[in-house]
Amino acid sequence: DTAVSQTPKYLVTQMGNDKSIKCEQNLGHDTMYWYKQDSKKFLKIMFSYNNKELIINETVPNRFSPKSPDKAHLNLHINSLELGDSAVYFCASSPRQGRGQETQYFGPGTRLLVL
Amino acid sequence: AQSVTQLGSHVSVSEGALVLLRCNYSSSVPPYLFWYVQYPNQGLQLLLKYTSAATLVKGINGFEAEFKKSETSFHLTKPSAHMSDAAEYFCAVRDNNNDMRFGAGTRLTVKP
Repeated sequence: DTAVSQTPKYLVTQMGNDKSIKCEQNLGHDTMYWYKQDSKKFLKIMFSYNNKELIINETVPNRFSPKSPDKAHLNLHINSLELGDSAVYFCASSPRQGRGQETQYFGPGTRLLVL
Repeated sequence: AQSVTQLGSHVSVSEGALVLLRCNYSSSVPPYLFWYVQYPNQGLQLLLKYTSAATLVKGINGFEAEFKKSETSFHLTKPSAHMSDAAEYFCAVRDNNNDMRFGAGTRLTVKP
C-alpha cells in the first residue's frame, strides 16, 4: 500500500530532451509538492498544488511545468533538459494547505541523470 | 522568512553511543519544526515534529528532540546508536504560510 508513488524511479536521458515524472498519492490529501534534491543533498521546494491550483512556484525555470489532472496526481514535465537538471526529484503530499503542523509524506524519489 | 541551520554535515558515532544532531532555527513566529530521515536510495520519512504541544518530542526508532526557544534549537538525540541508524537526517521548518524549508542535512555514520 504505497502512499506516495513516483515513476520512473530512474531516468537517464540526453540533454535537450523532454521528459515527465509522474506522482500519485492514495492518501486523499489536498496538497501535493515537488522538491529537487541536488548532489549535496540540499532539498528545495519547486511547486505545490492545492486542489489543482498552483500555490508556490519557487523561481523555477519555466522549462519545468507541473500538471495535475486531479488532486491525487501531480506530474512534472521538463522541457529541453539541461545538465544541471540532474538531481533527485521528490514528490510529497499533505492533508491541507496553510496548516503548518501538517506532515508531508514523501515519495521514494526519481533519480534523473542528464547526459 | 523561516530557515534552519544544521551544524555538521557529517557526524560519526560508535554503535551504542549517544547520537546528537544539531538544528537551529530562525523564525519570528512560533515555528513548526520537523526531523526527517533519508535512508540510502529512499525517500524522506518523518521522525518527529514539534507543534508547540510539548517541548520534548518523541519520535520513531528511539529518537527524540527538544525544542528550546531560548537557544532557537531543535536538536535530535538518541541515547544509543544502532547500525541501522546510518542515514541522512534533515531538519525542517514550516511557517503558517505552509512554506517548508529544509536544512542542508547531516549524514550519520555508525561505526561497529
